[in-house]
Amino acid sequence: EPEVTQTPSHQVTQMGQEVILRCVPISNHLYFYWYRQILGQKVEFLVSFYNNEISEKSEIFDDQFSVERPDGSNFTLKIRSTKLEDSAMYFCASSLRLNTEAFFGQGTRLTVV
Amino acid sequence: AQTVTQSQPEMSVQEAETVTLSCTYDTSESDYYLFWYKQPPSRQMILVIRQEAYKQQNATENRFSVNFQKAAKSFSLKISDSQLGDAAMYFCAYRSEVLETSGSRLTFGEGTQLTVNP
Repeated sequence: EPEVTQTPSHQVTQMGQEVILRCVPISNHLYFYWYRQILGQKVEFLVSFYNNEISEKSEIFDDQFSVERPDGSNFTLKIRSTKLEDSAMYFCASSLRLNTEAFFGQGTRLTVV
Repeated sequence: AQTVTQSQPEMSVQEAETVTLSCTYDTSESDYYLFWYKQPPSRQMILVIRQEAYKQQNATENRFSVNFQKAAKSFSLKISDSQLGDAAMYFCAYRSEVLETSGSRLTFGEGTQLTVNP
């Protein structure tokens, strides 16, 4: 069964460093998303991406964040200068169309020290 | 902005019994989608069931069913014949009806941790 794959499963980075989280969405899906979940808190929407551009973003998704689809398969989330409060589980998701279910990856746990 | 509230941080159920998880939401929209996602200890988010607001019939997926009360803005999940593998965090989520490129985001509730006792 097709699935969304995220790498790495866990990343530790020093405060101020840049980090790139990688995702391979389901191959025929057209819409891509990033969500985050700070430990013990709600899952929060960050950004959606379609046709090589951001279609919607939340107030969390500030200038420190960027997304890219560098080739036909990967979808990445970059955090330019990580802060302690960026420590969270980051989930990538994809959907075939806007009105179909989003399928989530297994998440990347980011720890900023 | 839409909000989703799950007032039960924790619930427990005996194996083979039935449990209902509550969810309420606030919206001014008439067309939208509601979802229940399961998050086991592996932390992956797994879709359990989906409901379109325009459908009066409650969605059912095997042992999982919902009670959708649009006027009350309530969307509860019933798990019948509970199994040990049902133990997980359950999240209720809302999504607007999509108009062009808007409404793609899911808004999640706080989650309910379900324990299944053998």
